[in-house]
Amino acid sequence: QVQLQESGPGLVKPSETLSLTCTVSGGDISTYYWSWIRQPPGKGLEWIGYIYNSGTTDYNPSLKSRVIISVDTSRNQVSLNLRSVTAADTAVYYCARSIVYYYYYYMDVWGKGTTVTVSS
Amino acid sequence: DIQMTQSPSSLSAFVGDRITITCRASQTVNNYLNWYQVKAGEAPKLLIYAASTLQSGVPSRFTGSGSGTDFTLTIISLQPEDFATYFCQQTYTTPLTFGGGTKVEVK
Repeated sequence: QVQLQESGPGLVKPSETLSLTCTVSGGDISTYYWSWIRQPPGKGLEWIGYIYNSGTTDYNPSLKSRVIISVDTSRNQVSLNLRSVTAADTAVYYCARSIVYYYYYYMDVWGKGTTVTVSS
Repeated sequence: DIQMTQSPSSLSAFVGDRITITCRASQTVNNYLNWYQVKAGEAPKLLIYAASTLQSGVPSRFTGSGSGTDFTLTIISLQPEDFATYFCQQTYTTPLTFGGGTKVEVK
């Protein structure tokens, strides 16, 4: 059974880069889409972006200038880098595996999320 | 961006109640609509995809319906483990967007 585990610093200073890793166990990383989603305190879910085919990406335009998602197939990891963070980037960050089935796209496996606080 | 509006934002119910959550899209999303259950500290769970297809392993008390711009998630007989927050998500086009969430609480 596929499991996802997000990891990274829980505290990041303003203007610095937030770097998170999602480790995938029990499955092949190369044949799926992989998304990052976040949930700020007291707010809803926001899609950050996804990667597929181990290199093709699509990002939310609201974050596109600051975000990079990448995959390391040798380590079975998906990474998120978000630069120039502010307090507005404080959130629980989730990674999720995504299925594409006859043009239907859905996130069928999620990690438990990791909390990132942006503060000096 | 396609805006997804959920209602209500919260509701209180008893175990055994039937509840319905509504999700409205700002433009058509055909049936590219998913529903998720989120509990604090747990991995979010996919319930329904393609508006009405039950994800494997999800109890049949969860049903989804709708097409175009209006969708509903119904829980036929609420169970203790169903108290959580529910989100709809459109995948018709990027950026993928979610509704604001509906928190289901114990009455």
